[in-house]
Amino acid sequence: DQQVKQNSPSLSVQEGRISILNCDYTNSMFDYFLWYKKYPAEGPTFLISISSIKDKNEDGRFTVFLNKSAKHLSLHIVPSQPGDSAVYFCAASEASYGKLTFGQGTILTVHP
Amino acid sequence: GAGVSQTPSNKVTEKGKYVELRCDPISGHTALYWYRQSLGQGPEFLIYFQGTGAADDSGLPNDRFFAVRPEGSVSTLKIQRTERGDSAVYLCASSASGRVTDTQYFGPGTRLTVL
Repeated sequence: DQQVKQNSPSLSVQEGRISILNCDYTNSMFDYFLWYKKYPAEGPTFLISISSIKDKNEDGRFTVFLNKSAKHLSLHIVPSQPGDSAVYFCAASEASYGKLTFGQGTILTVHP
Repeated sequence: GAGVSQTPSNKVTEKGKYVELRCDPISGHTALYWYRQSLGQGPEFLIYFQGTGAADDSGLPNDRFFAVRPEGSVSTLKIQRTERGDSAVYLCASSASGRVTDTQYFGPGTRLTVL
């Protein structure tokens, strides 16, 4: 069973606009959530995280929102830049160590 | 400084053969993770090392898969009697201490193809 789901395989956005990537989870024991970005032929790179005690975390152009009751998180990128074009994975953990469960990924394309 | 490195970058083998995949973590990182990424999927957890010991190997799919980290730095993932379904990108990550809040730094992966 897929405990972390990214239902949009791809997203296309114009440069300067907002990108919103969504993620749903089913395991109520998850208490730490992360977003990773991946370029072709490279490993995933950490972007931003959020603990379940918060509902929002911001880092520059990136903001992650967590809605625990809906078991939903989202990543907002404002403004989007062509260099943001990559695959974005959300991930979650219920452990005290870094055992992560990943979603399938969303391909973001930002057009100039 | 150097990041996580993995060798080989690509490995092609025949069904039934034995393969070893190597991971060099960031120096000083005590935690090391192996993940497997199949086509169109996200990475899937395989095993977590804290120092030399496997603290959680619950993600290893069966007893054909084994991993070691004898000196607490380099790790080797070993796959016996490979099957076509083992074809995937094998990712290694390390973090400073293993806490969930520590950033995991991933290597570029080893693409394994079993013919």
